[in-house]
Amino acid sequence: TQLLEQSPQFLSIQEGENLTVYCNSSSVFSSLQWYRQEPGEGPVLLVTVVTGGEVKKLKRLTFQFGDARKDSSLHITAAQPGDTGLYLCAGPGGAGGTSYGKLTFGQGTILTVHP
Amino acid sequence: KAGVTQTPRYLIKTRGQQVTLSCSPISGHRSVSWYQQTPGQGLQFLFEYFSETQRNKGNFPGRFSGRQFSNSRSEMNVSTLELGDSALYLCASSLGGTSAEAFFGQGTRLTVV
Repeated sequence: TQLLEQSPQFLSIQEGENLTVYCNSSSVFSSLQWYRQEPGEGPVLLVTVVTGGEVKKLKRLTFQFGDARKDSSLHITAAQPGDTGLYLCAGPGGAGGTSYGKLTFGQGTILTVHP
Repeated sequence: KAGVTQTPRYLIKTRGQQVTLSCSPISGHRSVSWYQQTPGQGLQFLFEYFSETQRNKGNFPGRFSGRQFSNSRSEMNVSTLELGDSALYLCASSLGGTSAEAFFGQGTRLTVV
């Protein structure tokens, strides 16, 4: 069974602080994706990391894929209230059988940035 | 380029009824996947369709079914609704090839009373 463990589950910080969200697995993933979801809306794809050791930057967000492709992190610099939301990591596949069209999601990290 | 469109956005149904949800994928995307999202279980995979064929299925009872049409639009149906079926149902579209990138719709909020 491929599981993704996210930590922390909740994060409440002040505007301007930095933070890191972790996504870990005992399984190797061919790629990992990060999504951000606002209440009542669908997840929005932020980035896909594919190569072990890869680092991608999206403005104040930095995404890293572990060398062994079993873990990933999301670092936000100088967080802003607009960063508030649910952050989800996801990887293709799951328990046994085919992985067609299936993403396995972490439990998510609820981030609240206070002004 | 239009995104993934799900209709309706909100639904209230009574226990025992059935419901049909609709999803129009991004133009050119042939794969449509469905997920159920609840506070306790997070995002759970229901099934995936590609070129009108179900290729993958999650661990949900047979009351949950789906189909895909020749234009890639997809529907999912839940029969004999239970209170526990209350959730946000999300549809995701992708090219269906080796890329795992999926793009989600806004979801349908189903409330069973």
